[in-house]
Amino acid sequence: LAKTTQPISMDSYEGQEVNITCSHNNIATNDYITWYQQFPSQGPRFIIQGYKTKVTNEVASLFIPADRKSSTLSLPRVSLSDTAVYYCLVKSSGNTPLVFGKGTRLSVIA
Amino acid sequence: NAGVMQNPRHLVRRRGQEARLRCSPMKGHSHVYWYRQLPEEGLKFMVYLQKENIIDESGMPKERFSAEFPKEGPSILRIQQVVRGDSAAYFCASSPPNPSDTQYFGPGTRLTVL
Repeated sequence: LAKTTQPISMDSYEGQEVNITCSHNNIATNDYITWYQQFPSQGPRFIIQGYKTKVTNEVASLFIPADRKSSTLSLPRVSLSDTAVYYCLVKSSGNTPLVFGKGTRLSVIA
Repeated sequence: NAGVMQNPRHLVRRRGQEARLRCSPMKGHSHVYWYRQLPEEGLKFMVYLQKENIIDESGMPKERFSAEFPKEGPSILRIQQVVRGDSAAYFCASSPPNPSDTQYFGPGTRLTVL
């Protein structure tokens, strides 16, 4: 399973764009990159997933370079409610268990 | 469409007692995963079940822990003779029957062992 590395914590002011980069040097050809968000005392919530290039949804964008050894989650104009832990995961397609690291603790300041 | 439901949300047990955690997957989902999370840690996979079958239990301790997902009713994670080290948040996730990358998580059960 590909191991991921991401910053332990990040701080941001409200209204700023936040970019969280994750490295996954050993990603395999059939692996996808998935990001989850977790608030205190809640279960993780799926944010976005991609295989290559750029993926965008109503919540975030995911940028994946050609070599796929890293990815960047971009949160536009964060608010206080975006304060959470963000997990970058790499997994193969299909019904396989998720492997979580410690994630990035994002603190949004007013 | 209701999300993944777990109960109880909080469970307190004394050492040596049994803990039963329940998970009802999203409607139409036939795959269930159980994860455990210690404070300040990421989630750790325990077991993956489909209806009436355990597919992967590589993350589950061999002793005292068991899981089932019967044909009818919720999935159950059972911990016998609990110890203080079992105190954690236990999360259940479900995914649809067709191969899917997205797992949907429940709110978790917080187990405290006194």
